[in-house]
Amino acid sequence: DAGVIQSPRHEVTEMGQEVTLRCKPISGHNSLFWYRQTMMRGLELLIYFNNNVPIDDSGMPEDRFSAKMPNASFSTLKIQPSEPRDSAVYFCASRFSSAETQYFGPGTRLLVL
Amino acid sequence: RKEVEQDPGPFNVPEGATVAFNCTYSNSASQSFFWYRQDCRKEPKLLMSVYSSGNEDGRFTAQLNRASQYISLLIRDSKLSDSATYLCVVKKGGGSQGNLIFGKGTKLSVKP
Repeated sequence: DAGVIQSPRHEVTEMGQEVTLRCKPISGHNSLFWYRQTMMRGLELLIYFNNNVPIDDSGMPEDRFSAKMPNASFSTLKIQPSEPRDSAVYFCASRFSSAETQYFGPGTRLLVL
Repeated sequence: RKEVEQDPGPFNVPEGATVAFNCTYSNSASQSFFWYRQDCRKEPKLLMSVYSSGNEDGRFTAQLNRASQYISLLIRDSKLSDSATYLCVVKKGGGSQGNLIFGKGTKLSVKP
């Protein structure tokens, strides 16, 4: 069975450019989470969706970040404009809303120069 | 105070050693507790849930002390393959509205 799929796996971009990260959750999972991981701050929840509806976006750092989930099998996290401090690994995770276990994708390593 | 605090380590131990990690959490209303494992440059994966009565999975034992807001993980007879970062995780809220709060992790390195 396919796990959570993220693309791209690596992204290098210049400051000011738009970055779009993509996620396909495990089929049938109805909760989806976006996290950011850095050495300094660890793993931080940015936003999570339940049944495609954003439930908690309090972790989104600022207006430059936006996330959408147009259907149950696809979500995007967009950064516009990107800044060097956005460099991090971005993970997407999914689970059944009634379950405890979250399954993480392999992550997208973002470097903003 | 951080919501979930862990000693970052690293813990450097020889094969066969017993090693213990501790974690404290600040929100007394937290309902569920977990240990996740993260290998270098990989995604976190669930290692085990932590129950109030304590639970064991092979060489791994997890304990929860709600009164002290303290969670522990004990690894017996450590293997080279146990080398990883261990993340203490607390779930805020229940049901479909709950989300996970991760500690920054404790790094374990098991040497031959």
